[in-house]
Amino acid sequence: GESVGLHLPTLSVQEGDNSIINCAYSNSASDYFIWYKQESGKGPQFIIDIRSNMDKRQGQRVTVLLNKTVKHLSLQIAATQPGDSAVYFCAENMKTSYDKVIFGPGTSLSVIP
Amino acid sequence: NAGVTQTPKFQVLKTGQSMTLQCAQDMNHNSMYWYRQDPGMGLRLIYYSASEGTTDKGEVPNGYNVSRLNKREFSLRLESAAPSQTSVYFCASEGDRGRDQPQHFGDGTRLSIL
Repeated sequence: GESVGLHLPTLSVQEGDNSIINCAYSNSASDYFIWYKQESGKGPQFIIDIRSNMDKRQGQRVTVLLNKTVKHLSLQIAATQPGDSAVYFCAENMKTSYDKVIFGPGTSLSVIP
Repeated sequence: NAGVTQTPKFQVLKTGQSMTLQCAQDMNHNSMYWYRQDPGMGLRLIYYSASEGTTDKGEVPNGYNVSRLNKREFSLRLESAAPSQTSVYFCASEGDRGRDQPQHFGDGTRLSIL
């Protein structure tokens, strides 16, 4: 079901440290996963994706890990910078009778200079 | 590249007024989407258009209508605005629905219904 609430989970990290943002997805039939970054006043921006036949994928300073056993996704950001401050949310793509994308509510990342 | 462009960026309406939110993409994408984003909740799909000439209801379609004017443009209409429709509305596009690829979003329309 949906999350209901006004307050997002918040993660505060020191500049230069690594950040890990977690996401639990809902459906074992989901086979494609995406991480988005949303800065204040902006639309979601694609960061990295991963298909269900992989358990790890790396990009520039970001790594996504997928654990299908426990339906868990994580985003790791290396050497976190002030520009990384944003809301991050995962999306799962379910292959049902129609292609359905479910977005998580997000985690707010705050980088302390 | 402009990507996905939404207009207006902000709008205040009175209950019962109507308005149309505009969206255009320049990526030659087939699929387009309208979402609403409310505090603490994930994006919820209002309507989508898998290709030019087709539209389908999403998760929360009540109170809204859409038009896929051409391949580039997908508009969302509120016929009689209600306070519950106060939200941030995002338009997105995708190359082809059903293929594993991310959606590209506009920067949203912030709509307040008084």
